[in-house]
Formats: sequence, structure tokens, C-alpha cells
Amino acid sequence: EPEVTQTPSHQVTQMGQEVILRCVPISNHLYFYWYRQILGQKVEFLVSFYNNEISEKSEIFDDQFSVERPDGSNFTLKIRSTKLEDSAMYFCASQGWSWGTGANVLTFGAGSRLTVL
Amino acid sequence: ELKVEQNPLFLSMQEGKNYTIYCNYSTTSDRLYWYRQDPGKSLESLFVLLSNGAVKQEGRLMASLDTKARLSTLHITAAVHDLSATYFCAVDGGTYKYIFGTGTRLKVLA
Repeated sequence: EPEVTQTPSHQVTQMGQEVILRCVPISNHLYFYWYRQILGQKVEFLVSFYNNEISEKSEIFDDQFSVERPDGSNFTLKIRSTKLEDSAMYFCASQGWSWGTGANVLTFGAGSRLTVL
Repeated sequence: ELKVEQNPLFLSMQEGKNYTIYCNYSTTSDRLYWYRQDPGKSLESLFVLLSNGAVKQEGRLMASLDTKARLSTLHITAAVHDLSATYFCAVDGGTYKYIFGTGTRLKVLA
């Protein structure tokens, strides 16, 4: 079963530092997403990405955040100058056709837990 | 803006009982996902519902979609402890933006 791979699984950083979270989407998928989940809370949409550009972004995704696909396989989320409230689990997802399901399916990675001290 | 509500938020039920989780959404959509999340884990896809009247079943779980009522249900039949998890619905906002519901934390008691 193809997987979405995320690294690191856990990152601890000091407030004000920059963080890059990495994702390798499923190889034939074309749509990529970042979501975040603060502990015990709902899953919040951050941004979607298609054809090397942002398709949609939420109000959470402000100038502190950026995404890129630098090499055609990795999909990264950069958080500049982290704040305490950025502490959360960040999930990458990719979307593509699933023959088993017979539909476009959104598949999530295992997540990257970010702790800002 | 699309809003997705689930109820109940918490559900504690006895093994062997039946129950239904509800997912209401505020704007037109014809694609809805159900996910399961175990504590500290990722989101596991359970069902994709693509049209009005769609019904999918897997084991003790059955999901349905009524696009006219903007409502999806996840029905649990004869619950077992292994079904304890948080269940989320996610609705296609139409522009590469899937909005998740508030989640239902299910605890099945032996």
C-alpha cells in the first residue's frame, strides 16, 4: 500500500526558530495538503498545493508559513519564527486515484509533532 | 464558509450496542470522507462517499450520505472495544480544501 512519508516524526525547537517539515507524497498523486492538529482538538486545514502552486490556504496560513516542492518529490512546510501556539501535530496528505476504492482518496502521513519551547 | 459539525463529541457505549454519529455540513458538497484516528496516530481512511444516497459498509461500521440534507451518518453495529477511537468526517469544500468535523471520541466499554 503506497504511503505518505513525513519527517521528522518529532521536532523540538525554541520560540523564534525556523522549522522545516518534510513530506514525500504518494508518487502518482498530484494534490498535496498540510493540516495541523493541536493536541486533542480538530484537524485544521492549512494549505493545498497543485501544479507547483498554492491552490487554497486558510486564515491560519499567514506569512509565517510557506510551502514548496523543491525537487519534484519532497513537499515541505516551512514555519518561520515559530511561536508557542505553533506546537501541534502537522499532517501532510496527498490525493489521488485509488483503484481499490474507486475514487480519489486523501491519504495522510503519520504526522510530525512540533513542540515549541 | 464551509462549516462541519459532528455530534456527539463524546460517546461512551457498552459493547454490543448500536449507535450513530452524525456529521452536518453547511454548504453544498457531494464528496465526504470518514476517518478514524487512534490516540497519537494518523488519520486512517474508512469511507469515501461520492453521491447522494451513497452507503458504504465495512465490518461493524456503515456510512451514508444525504447531500440534500447535508448530512452523513456513521452507524456502529454491535460495538466492540477495538472500535474505540476518534472518528472524523471531512467534507470537500469544492476547491482542494477538505474541512474536518469536530470529531467524535468513541469509547466502547467492555
